[in-house]
Amino acid sequence: GESVGLHLPTLSVQEGDNSIINCAYSNSASDYFIWYKQESGKGPQFIIDIRSNMDKRQGQRVTVLLNKTVKHLSLQIAATQPGDSAVYFCAAADSGGYNKLIFGAGTRLAVHP
Amino acid sequence: SQTIHQWPATLVQPVGSPLSLECTVEGTSNPNLYWYRQAAGRGLQLLFYSVGIGQISSEVPQNLSASRPQDRQFILSSKKLLLSDSGFYLCAWSPQKQARNQPQHFGDGTRLSIL
Repeated sequence: GESVGLHLPTLSVQEGDNSIINCAYSNSASDYFIWYKQESGKGPQFIIDIRSNMDKRQGQRVTVLLNKTVKHLSLQIAATQPGDSAVYFCAAADSGGYNKLIFGAGTRLAVHP
Repeated sequence: SQTIHQWPATLVQPVGSPLSLECTVEGTSNPNLYWYRQAAGRGLQLLFYSVGIGQISSEVPQNLSASRPQDRQFILSSKKLLLSDSGFYLCAWSPQKQARNQPQHFGDGTRLSIL
């Protein structure tokens, strides 16, 4: 079945640096991916998504890159700010339909001044 | 705009007691609805999803059940809680019944502690 994993459980960056959070998925048929941000005690918040017919998508200070060849996606955060400190999850669409998602374990991003 | 509400925010219950967590969505019709559990420091495990009133699919065998008595209301229940039911419970919705490749939108969860 599909599984989604993250390369690092914790990422520490200096304020103002760029952050890169990585994610690998197992099902080559996955065609939709989402990044979420979860702050302590809150529900995951949608950041950005990408469909498999794209390699790159940009939002405000965030970019998602999708490499279907190696089944890898990444979230890049430009000029990381203290407010970016949170746990970041990637999720892949479940091939079973009903818009179900399979979530990775999460990466904690710590931003230091 | 659409909003999703969960309550209560926190709950402490004794082992063996019943449970009812409620989730409601506003500003949309016919949403897909989902219940997740999140263990401390872990990812999200899908428990139930629903594509319509009275239609519930269970993803994992467990001590919990779900119901959808109204289009925008999703309830998570248990008759007798176990210690292993402790966790952070999240409700989510996505637009359009049976649509694919849409983001899910989450409520702020209920932190359940079983004593």
